[in-house]
Amino acid sequence: GDSVTQMEGPVTLSEEAFLTINCTYTATGYPSLFWYVQYPGEGLQLLLKATKADDKGSNKGFEATYRKETTSFHLEKGSVQVSDSAVYFCALTGDSGNTPLVFGKGTRLSVIA
Amino acid sequence: GAVVSQHPSRVICKSGTSVKIECRSLDFQATTMFWYRQFPKQSLMLMATSNEGSKATYEQGVEKDKFLINHASLTLSTLTVTSAHPEDSSFYICSARSGPDRGPEAFFGQGTRLTVV
Repeated sequence: GDSVTQMEGPVTLSEEAFLTINCTYTATGYPSLFWYVQYPGEGLQLLLKATKADDKGSNKGFEATYRKETTSFHLEKGSVQVSDSAVYFCALTGDSGNTPLVFGKGTRLSVIA
Repeated sequence: GAVVSQHPSRVICKSGTSVKIECRSLDFQATTMFWYRQFPKQSLMLMATSNEGSKATYEQGVEKDKFLINHASLTLSTLTVTSAHPEDSSFYICSARSGPDRGPEAFFGQGTRLTVV
C-alpha cells in the first residue's frame, strides 16, 4: 500500500537557519503530495501541495518540489522564525475521492531565538 | 480553503460518562469524514471513516461500541466516546475532503482535547 516516510525529529534550529525536512513516498500511479503543519493544541493546516511531477508548492516561505524520479517531496525554508515551531506532516493521496490521506509520522521543529 | 469546524475544543468529563464531539463542514458537503486520535508528541492515528447515511468503517483495534460515529447529514459527523475512562483521554481530530471540485487535500477541524477524570 501507499506510505510516507519523513525524517524523525525533533529538529532544533536557530532563528534564520535553513530548514530541510525530508519526505519520501511509496505509491502507485501519480499521487498528490502535501505538507501540513500543526501548531500546539491545534488541528492540522494545509501548508502547501503539489499535484503532479515537477510541481513546486510554496507558502509562507516554505517550498517543496514533487520529484517523481526520487519519489520525494522535501520541505525547505530559507530562514526559519520562532513562529515556525510546530509539527510538520508529509502526506499523500492517490485519488480525489473519499479515502483518508496517508501521513508520515510528523517532524517536530523547534526554532530558538 | 474549505472550513471544517470541530466542537468542543476542550472537554473534561467524569469517568463513566459519555462525550459527544461534533465535526461540521461549513462551506462544502462532505459525504465522508475521518476521525483521528493523537497521543502526545505522536502522529495521527486514523480511527474510522464516517460515511453519510451509512455505517462508519472502523480501523483495526478501534472499539466501535466505545467510539460511536454518526454521519446523519452531508455537513455533520459526530463522535461519541461512551463510558469514557482515563485511558480515553486524548486529542481527537476530524477531517473531511471536499472532492475533486476543490482539490485533493483534506481539511481538518481544530481538534478536541478530551480529559477523563
